[in-house]
Amino acid sequence: NAGVTQTPKFRVLKTGQSMTLLCAQDMNHEYMYWYRQDPGMGLRLIHYSVGEGTTAKGEVPDGYNVSRLKKQNFLLGLESAAPSQTSVYFCASSAGSSNQPQHFGDGTRLSIL
Amino acid sequence: SQKIEQNSEALNIQEGKTATLTCNYTNYSPAYLQWYRQDPGRGPVFLLLIRENEKEKRKERLKVTFDTTLKQSLFHITASQPADSATYLCALDSSWDMRFGAGTRLTVKP
Repeated sequence: NAGVTQTPKFRVLKTGQSMTLLCAQDMNHEYMYWYRQDPGMGLRLIHYSVGEGTTAKGEVPDGYNVSRLKKQNFLLGLESAAPSQTSVYFCASSAGSSNQPQHFGDGTRLSIL
Repeated sequence: SQKIEQNSEALNIQEGKTATLTCNYTNYSPAYLQWYRQDPGRGPVFLLLIRENEKEKRKERLKVTFDTTLKQSLFHITASQPADSATYLCALDSSWDMRFGAGTRLTVKP
């Protein structure tokens, strides 16, 4: 039982490049989330999904897109990377929208040069 | 605007003492409040959840209080150990919108 798995763990991009971060969970959770974590700031929600085929914007969605084609997978895309997107990205999943703990992966450390 | 503040970025205590971490919030009415632990290079790990109508919750050496009038939660670790050293995050839970504090880095010295 791996929980939430994120790939890759590290990545360096040049400004303007694109990439996709992959998140996979094996807990059959309906809800999945993408956060970014920057020094001195709390985790900020980028996008979330309440089930397969659905996505919604969070607090800081600009510059990112997501897809949830399969229940167990949630993809985060950067179409044209910018230095301001240098951050640590965390994926999480939960069984419900509230009153439920979120289970996190170990993050993807992304640097945009 | 909504704000979540966790007391001081870092807290250093001696082994065996009780660590008390504070989470204050404004312009928010969460139905639940959660606490997480985060170790360097790892994702947050859930510790405790407390409902708005609960005053206190305990789990082994951990205790959480939730005062909706003061808009504050206190997180206590009794008989602290060096292994408790980590960053602790509070999170305000209101439907899908979970808002996290920046965290307090706790160091327990032997």
